Amino acid sequence: DVKVTQSSRYLVKRTGEKVFLECVQDMDHENMFWYRQDPGLGLRLIYFSYDVKMKEKGDIPEGYSVSREKKERFSLILESASTNQTSMYLCASSPGHPQGGSYNSPLHFGNGTRLTVT
Amino acid sequence: GQNIDQPTEMTATEGAIVQINCTYQTSGFNGLFWYQQHAGEAPTFLSYNVLDGLEEKGRFSSFLSRSKGYSYLLLKELQMKDSASYLCAGPRNNKFYFGSGTKLNVKP
Repeated sequence: DVKVTQSSRYLVKRTGEKVFLECVQDMDHENMFWYRQDPGLGLRLIYFSYDVKMKEKGDIPEGYSVSREKKERFSLILESASTNQTSMYLCASSPGHPQGGSYNSPLHFGNGTRLTVT
Repeated sequence: GQNIDQPTEMTATEGAIVQINCTYQTSGFNGLFWYQQHAGEAPTFLSYNVLDGLEEKGRFSSFLSRSKGYSYLLLKELQMKDSASYLCAGPRNNKFYFGSGTKLNVKP
């Protein structure tokens, strides 16, 4: 079974702090994703990566950056946390490269990190 | 966004059948995924339709019509443990786009 592990289940940080959310997958998947999930808004893509050292902006990248130095690890960084970044953050991975610009394998999600910024 | 629409919430009775609909822009996706998410947990993969028609997996079936931008998830013989949110998602341009999810309440 694919295992996607997020380093923290719950985090409480103060406004202005730099926050690191770590995600590790153990199935040698090429693609990794960071989403945030908010009530009524569903899952929104922050950043994704389809290879080591490669990254692409998702739909809401502002205020975030990412790092993928190794294939199995994809880190999300909040440079200066703000209260509107309080959310559930979900990391996911999937195998293979998109066919014709589209994935045909499902995402495998970690258990999520519930971040509260006060 | 990709204007993926799902009903916000549905209620059904244990043992019954329920259909959860998902509509999207027809210029979008190359197939459609369904995920189940229990409260406080990660989404888990349920089904994938790449072609039009019905895919059956035990108590769960999923249907896709690409020309109509329409999919549904059919749950039969509902059990209490099926109380969860159900998310549809479409892949396009190297991304997955998710609907807001339908919260299904199964009552005894």
